[in-house]
Amino acid sequence: DTAVSQTPKYLVTQMGNDKSIKCEQNLGHDTMYWYKQDSKKFLKIMFSYNNKELIINETVPNRFSPKSPDKAHLNLHINSLELGDSAVYFCASSQVAWPYEQYFGPGTRLTVT
Amino acid sequence: QKEVEQNSGPLSVPEGAIASLNCTYSDRGSQSFFWYRQYSGKSPELIMFIYSNGDKEDGRFTAQLNKASQYVSLLIRDSQPSDSATYLCAVNPFGNEKLTFGTGTRLTIIP
Repeated sequence: DTAVSQTPKYLVTQMGNDKSIKCEQNLGHDTMYWYKQDSKKFLKIMFSYNNKELIINETVPNRFSPKSPDKAHLNLHINSLELGDSAVYFCASSQVAWPYEQYFGPGTRLTVT
Repeated sequence: QKEVEQNSGPLSVPEGAIASLNCTYSDRGSQSFFWYRQYSGKSPELIMFIYSNGDKEDGRFTAQLNKASQYVSLLIRDSQPSDSATYLCAVNPFGNEKLTFGTGTRLTIIP
C-alpha cells in the first residue's frame, strides 16, 4: 500500500487556469505538508496542516490555497496559474510529535505553458 | 548565509569506497537533522535522522553530528551504484514541524 499518494502525477496546463492537486496518507499521521521543488531541485515548504488546521504558512502567493477535509487528506488548489508555478509539488506527512520524521508522496510535476 | 548548506557536487566515488556527504547549518538551536535520498525523478526518501552529538549507524549508513561546529555528515560504506542519487540534508531549526532543506549533493558511484 502506498503510504502517501498524490494525484495527478503530471499536470500540464495553460497560464491563467485553476488546478488542484490531491494528497492522501494512510500512515495515521496528524500533520501534512506541501513542498515545492524548483528546477534547481531546491525543496521548500509551503504549508503545513495539523489535524485540519493550518500551522505553517510560508510566504506563498495567496493564489495557492490548501484544503484539508480530514487529517488524511491535504489538497492544494492553485488559482490563475503562472509560468513560475511550474515545479514539482510534493506532499508529505509526519506524526505530530518530535522529531517529526516526514514521509513524502511521489510528487506532481506541474508544467504551466 | 544559507540556513542549510551542502556542496552541490557532483561527488564521484568508486564502488566499494566510503562516500562522505557534508552539511552545515546556521541555527545553533536546531534540534534534529535528517538525511534524505532522492533519485532522479523520484521523491525524497528518508534515510535516517540524528539529534545527539556523535555517530548513529544504520546498516551501511552512518550519520555524524557535531553541534558545536554546526556540522552533520552522512557516510555511506561499501558504496554501490544504486547509491547514486542526490542526498538532501534537512534541519529542524525550531523544534517544530518545519524542516529546512539544503540544496542537496549529487553523488555518483563509479563501477
